[in-house]
Amino acid sequence: TQLLEQSPQFLSIQEGENLTVYCNSSSVFSSLQWYRQEPGEGPVLLVTVVTGGEVKKLKRLTFQFGDARKDSSLHITAAQPGDTGLYLCAGSLAGGADGLTFGKGTHLIIQP
Amino acid sequence: EAGVAQSPRYKIIEKRQSVAFWCNPISGHATLYWYQQILGQGPKLLIQFQNNGVVDDSQLPKDRFSAERLKGVDSTLKIQPAKLEDSAVYLCASSAHGRGYGYTFGSGTRLTVV
Repeated sequence: TQLLEQSPQFLSIQEGENLTVYCNSSSVFSSLQWYRQEPGEGPVLLVTVVTGGEVKKLKRLTFQFGDARKDSSLHITAAQPGDTGLYLCAGSLAGGADGLTFGKGTHLIIQP
Repeated sequence: EAGVAQSPRYKIIEKRQSVAFWCNPISGHATLYWYQQILGQGPKLLIQFQNNGVVDDSQLPKDRFSAERLKGVDSTLKIQPAKLEDSAVYLCASSAHGRGYGYTFGSGTRLTVV
């Protein structure tokens, strides 16, 4: 059973379109992070959210943590080819150990 | 600051052979993690160190995998004997604070077992 379910698994859209990626769980997380990973490299941290209902913006990327701290979303506005990559959500379970639990990721391709 | 260094970048071995991976975390980072990322999946935690002590190794296949972090700095992860299903990217990450904050990952070692 996957603790963090990401959807969609694959997404291919045209440059300039908007998109939303979802990360859902039945468990409560003390914090949740979003990473972007390019081929042959390790994941790179984009954002950490810790408060239920929290919204963070990073240029064209908007991250939201659900009120119950069980889910999160990543919205990209006016996607660009440079946004192409594997987007991973990862969380630390409330009351659990430090190590992050990762979702399987969303493979995003932005076509020029 | 320098990132997390890992070596080698690539390794191909035959099944039943042994292999070792090395990680040098960011200077001053007390927490070090080893993750296994199988193709098409997200990383899975294998082991977490706090300084030179093991905090969590519940998902480490201890019959074949071992890891150590001498002097609370560098770490090595060993597989002996390797199986075909061990083919994956092995990622090392370090953090100053733990609790899911401030993770920095290395570029990983891609292991192919044939």
